[in-house]
Order: sequence, then C-alpha cells, then structure tokens
Amino acid sequence: GAVVSQHPSRVICKSGTSVKIECRSLDFQATTMFWYRQFPKQSLMLMATSNEGSKATYEQGVEKDKFLINHASLTLSTLTVTSAHPEDSSFYICSAATGAPNTEAFFGQGTRLTVV
Amino acid sequence: KQEVTQIPAALSVPEGENLVLNCSFTDSAIYNLQWFRQDPGKGLTSLLLIQSSQREQTSGRLNASLDKSSGRSTLYIAASQPGDSATYLCAVKVSTNAGKSTFGDGTTLTVKP
Repeated sequence: GAVVSQHPSRVICKSGTSVKIECRSLDFQATTMFWYRQFPKQSLMLMATSNEGSKATYEQGVEKDKFLINHASLTLSTLTVTSAHPEDSSFYICSAATGAPNTEAFFGQGTRLTVV
Repeated sequence: KQEVTQIPAALSVPEGENLVLNCSFTDSAIYNLQWFRQDPGKGLTSLLLIQSSQREQTSGRLNASLDKSSGRSTLYIAASQPGDSATYLCAVKVSTNAGKSTFGDGTTLTVKP
C-alpha cells in the first residue's frame, strides 16, 4: 500500500510555544489529507479535512486559529499547534487520499505531543 | 451521521483462546471497513481492510467479516498470544467522502500467558 510519513513521532514542548507536525505522502499525490486527534483512552476524532491549495475545513469544536493546517503541496500537509497548553497533549494522526471518490486513505504513524 | 460502536470495551483472555471483537455502524452506505491495532503510546497498524463488496478478509490468525445490511463487522483472532495484547480499532469509511473515516472507541485486549 501507499506510504504516509508523519514527523515527528514524539515531541515535547513548553507551554506557550508552537509545534509543527508534518504529514507526507511518499509515493502518491494526496489531494486530500485528514487530521485526527486521540485523547487518552478514547478513539480518534476527526479534527479537519484539508484539500491541496485551499483552506482546511474544521470539525465543530476545533479551533482553527489554534490548530493551523497548511496543505500547500500534493505531498505535504502540516498541522501547527499554536501557543500549546498541557491540555493539547494528545496523539495526532494524519491520513492522506488522492481525493477521488471511493479511494483509499492511508494513515501516518502518528505524533505523540506532550506539552509541559 | 455515521456512528461506530465497538463491543466489548475491554477483554481479557488466557493464551490460546479464540476470540471475537465486534464493531457495529449505523450507516450501511460504506466504502470500506478497516481494522487497526494500536499498541500503548504507538500509532496505528492496519490489520485488515474489507471493501464494501466483500464479506471477509483473512490474514494469518486474523479473520474479519463484514455484513453491511446489519451494520456489523467482527474480527476473529485464533489461538491468541500475549503479543496480541493491544487496542483494536475499527474504522468505517463512507462512500460519499474520499478518505474520511469514523472510528470506534476500540477494544482493549489483554492475553494472559
């Protein structure tokens, strides 16, 4: 299957700083990328959908000014957690798809963010 | 809105037992259903992917079935081993949206030696 690389796999940052997470599709062009968040002992919840070259669509309750998503190329989407707080500590995972109807989405390995 | 439910939330079995994990979904218009494994603090490992036109998929000791009409899928693990201990998630992808998946809350499996 296609490969999606997510970086970093783990990051620790100080409260108040920003951290960027990258999601790359290595062997296909990802027109659409999805960002999920997983709270401890809970399942993954969709945060936002990004389409290359346009603004991301955020799910209800997700602060778009706090979680900045950029999808400037067909192989890279980034999620920036701005002014991070301890409650932002979570597991973030992306998936990438070509965007055509009824096509596969492939998941990255996830990023464990800890804000201290 | 698609809702995905996994039962049981947790399961503990002795080594060697065969077991079944359940996943149910409310909207039968799905594109595929995927079973993942997640180890503590780690990412997702895809186990089996069943397309909407398929009834089951097998990989080694794992067998996943899909019944779209009843909105159910099962993951059967044969001859369980301690290394199977993990959280198992099912995710449903709807036909109308390329790529978006709805996850269940997972079943945490513990296999005791």
